[in-house]
Amino acid sequence: QVQLQESGPGLVKPSETLSLTCAVSGYSISSGYYWGWIRQPPGKGLEWIGSIYHSGSTYYNPSLKSRVTISVDTSKNQFSLKLSSVTAADTAVYYCARGREEGCFDYWGQGTLVTVSS
Amino acid sequence: SYELTQPPSVSVSPGQTARITCSGDALPKQYAYWYQQKPGQAPVLVIYKDSERPSGIPERFSGSSSGTTVTLTISGVQAEDEADYYCQSADSSGTYLVFGGGTKLTVL
Repeated sequence: QVQLQESGPGLVKPSETLSLTCAVSGYSISSGYYWGWIRQPPGKGLEWIGSIYHSGSTYYNPSLKSRVTISVDTSKNQFSLKLSSVTAADTAVYYCARGREEGCFDYWGQGTLVTVSS
Repeated sequence: SYELTQPPSVSVSPGQTARITCSGDALPKQYAYWYQQKPGQAPVLVIYKDSERPSGIPERFSGSSSGTTVTLTISGVQAEDEADYYCQSADSSGTYLVFGGGTKLTVL
């Protein structure tokens, strides 16, 4: 059974960089699929942040592209998100998920709340 | 930027049929997907490639597509189906993914 688990600080100061890691178990990242990050501000809808292919190719939401970096560490079977220059608008539950070739997400982590506040 | 449009809310009585629509200009070219999200939980994929149902998803969930609109249909709605539902697709290039704004399904 594929399982994903997000980890990282729950509180980030404005203007700093948000960093999260997603540990994958039950499937080897290097075997294929895309690996993505999605976020959900409190009480609002889902927003795709970006995805990375197991080979390292990345695809980012144009609205966040200038601040986002997604990377993969196949040796640790995990992938990471960095979002720079955060503001209160970046406060959200951040999910990591496995993406199929056709573009949907079939396995999701439980999500982690990141609050941007001083 | 590309957008998918869903109604904010749909209400049905138990046993009735709920239909949730999602509209977008690129839907004739790109597959649509549907997720169910209950409070405090991660989304769950209930329909992929417009109308395919993942294993473990009840048969009462179905999807269809017509032009620039896709529809999630839940037949014989049960109380446990009360949740937020999100459609998801890609822009015309297939590069960038997008979610609809979500529809809150209320079972009366």
